[in-house]
This record gives sequence, structure tokens and C-alpha cells, in this order.
Amino acid sequence: GAVVSQHPSRVICKSGTSVKIECRSLDFQATTMFWYRQFPKKSLMLMATSNEGSKATYEQGVEKDKFLINHASLTLSTLTVTSAHPEDSSFYICSASTGVETQYFGPGTRLLVL
Amino acid sequence: RKEVEQDPGPFNVPEGATVAFNCTYSNSASQSFFWYRQDCRKEPKLLMSVYSSGNEDGRFTAQLNRASQYISLLIRDSKLSDSATYLCAVNLNTGGFKTIFGAGTRLFVKA
Repeated sequence: GAVVSQHPSRVICKSGTSVKIECRSLDFQATTMFWYRQFPKKSLMLMATSNEGSKATYEQGVEKDKFLINHASLTLSTLTVTSAHPEDSSFYICSASTGVETQYFGPGTRLLVL
Repeated sequence: RKEVEQDPGPFNVPEGATVAFNCTYSNSASQSFFWYRQDCRKEPKLLMSVYSSGNEDGRFTAQLNRASQYISLLIRDSKLSDSATYLCAVNLNTGGFKTIFGAGTRLFVKA
């Protein structure tokens, strides 16, 4: 149980395009989903917390207009990287929680912006 | 000062060795504590939660010292398959919660 999927697993795009990443909880309802970013040999950095049906809470320094988060249902959250640039290239990982302190991580999406 | 700090390593140890990881956190309001394992290019996997009373799971022992704001992980009889990055993580109460990760300590176990 407690499986979280992410799609796509990897994406290569041109600079200036937008990329949407989906995070789904497959066998449970996630009241909260988290989005993290990880640069090579660095730690996971929390970008934002999203609760179903409400606006995401962004961490300091994360541009909400650049990283659009939608948590439309209890099993799906999406992160859209708008007007992607090479510096946005990173490993994006989501996690899902039922509200208790356990979170289940998706397998991550590797984004490369050329 | 980082909210969660770890020795970046890498630690290079022979099979069978005992290896200790340390972590300190700065927010005294931190409410729960974890060790994760992350393999290269994969998502982190929860290894164990950490309690003040200490907890053990097979070859792995975790300890929390709230007064010193210090968390430890001990791996005994290390195996080749233990090679990975070990991440310390702290949950902060936000009404819900949010997790702050340390940068991780890379472990290489060699035959």
C-alpha cells in the first residue's frame, strides 16, 4: 500500500517552454502533498505544501508564479514549471500524506532544460 | 546556520564495520525525527523514525537527544548493500507539518 506515482519520470525540454509534472497517490487519499527539488549532491529542498482544494503554501524563495501547483483532488497534484530555464534543471520529487506525519514519496521526475 | 546539519562524508568503510551518522537540528520546536536512505537517482526511502528512548531495527539503531538537538544512526555489520546516502529529516509543526532534510551523508561499503 501507500504508493505514489509521478509522471513523467524524465523530461527534456527547450528553454522557455512549460513542463507539467503529475503526482498521484494510487491507493490512498492524500490530504496534503509536498513538492521538493533536489540538485545533484544536495539535499531535498521543500518547495511548497499543497492541500486539496486550497492554494499551495510556498517556501521562502520559491516563486509561486513560476512553479504553479494545483491540488485538484485527493489523489492528484500537479507542478507546472513555467517558462523553464536551464537553471530549473533538477530532480523534482513529490510526496503525499494523509495528514499524520508519515509521507510517501513518488519516484521523482528528472527535468533537463536545454 | 542550516536547519538540519550532517557531515557530508563520504564515509568509506569495509564490510562488517560499524558506522555512525550524526545530525544536529536548530529548531527546538521540531517535533519528530527520521532517517531516510536515498540511492543514487532515486527517491528517499524511510529507514526509521527516531525516538528519545532510542529504537533499533536489526542492524540499525537510532537515537535522539532533544537537549542537545542531536540525532544519530548506527549501522552495525555493514553490508555492501548499505551503500547509499543517509538523510536526516526533521518535521516541524505548521498546523500540519513540513519536513526539513539534511544534506545527507554518503556511505560507501567496500568488500
